[in-house]
Amino acid sequence: KNQVEQSPQSLIILEGKNCTLQCNYTVSPFSNLRWYKQDTGRGPVSLTIMTFSENTKSNGRYTATLDADTKQSSLHITASQLSDSASYICVVSQNSGTYKYIFGTGTRLKVLA
Amino acid sequence: NAGVTQTPKFQVLKTGQSMTLQCAQDMNHNSMYWYRQDPGMGLRLIYYSASEGTTDKGEVPNGYNVSRLNKREFSLRLESAAPSQTSVYFCASRARGGTEAFFGQGTRLTVV
Repeated sequence: KNQVEQSPQSLIILEGKNCTLQCNYTVSPFSNLRWYKQDTGRGPVSLTIMTFSENTKSNGRYTATLDADTKQSSLHITASQLSDSASYICVVSQNSGTYKYIFGTGTRLKVLA
Repeated sequence: NAGVTQTPKFQVLKTGQSMTLQCAQDMNHNSMYWYRQDPGMGLRLIYYSASEGTTDKGEVPNGYNVSRLNKREFSLRLESAAPSQTSVYFCASRARGGTEAFFGQGTRLTVV
């Protein structure tokens, strides 16, 4: 069964600290993996995309990693800011004729001053 | 550039009432999607439209119907709302050959 699991479910950190969110997936065939940020009351917005051959990709203070062998990804947030408070959703795509997205349940991050 | 626009943003229905959620995108995307988001669950696909004139069921289609009115617009209809349909509904679109889904801001629907 195609699944995307994320951990932790929720996380509270102090402003300025770093954190790492985890994503494990069992999706086949694999096309790519994206991390989305979803602010409260808004739709998800893409942060970064990882394809099969990519190990690491950065977008400002966000760094995503992908280990295609173990089917794991992580999102590292450096020097957190209050505006990083949001849900972070791992989404794996598959393209077997029909393009499909499989969504994780998300990690809810709260950054405190 | 508005992207994906959903209306309304909030709605309260009584059990048995009907309503249509509207979605429009101005990015000339071919594919459009309707998802629902419930606490503790990932977004679940209700219906999708790979191109103008085509629609297909997703993971949780029961109780819903859709219309791909034209390339821009994809509406979701609840014919007889039930409390189990209380959720946040998201419309998304994707360009032909693209990988990124672009989401609207969501419609928060409560059925009492």
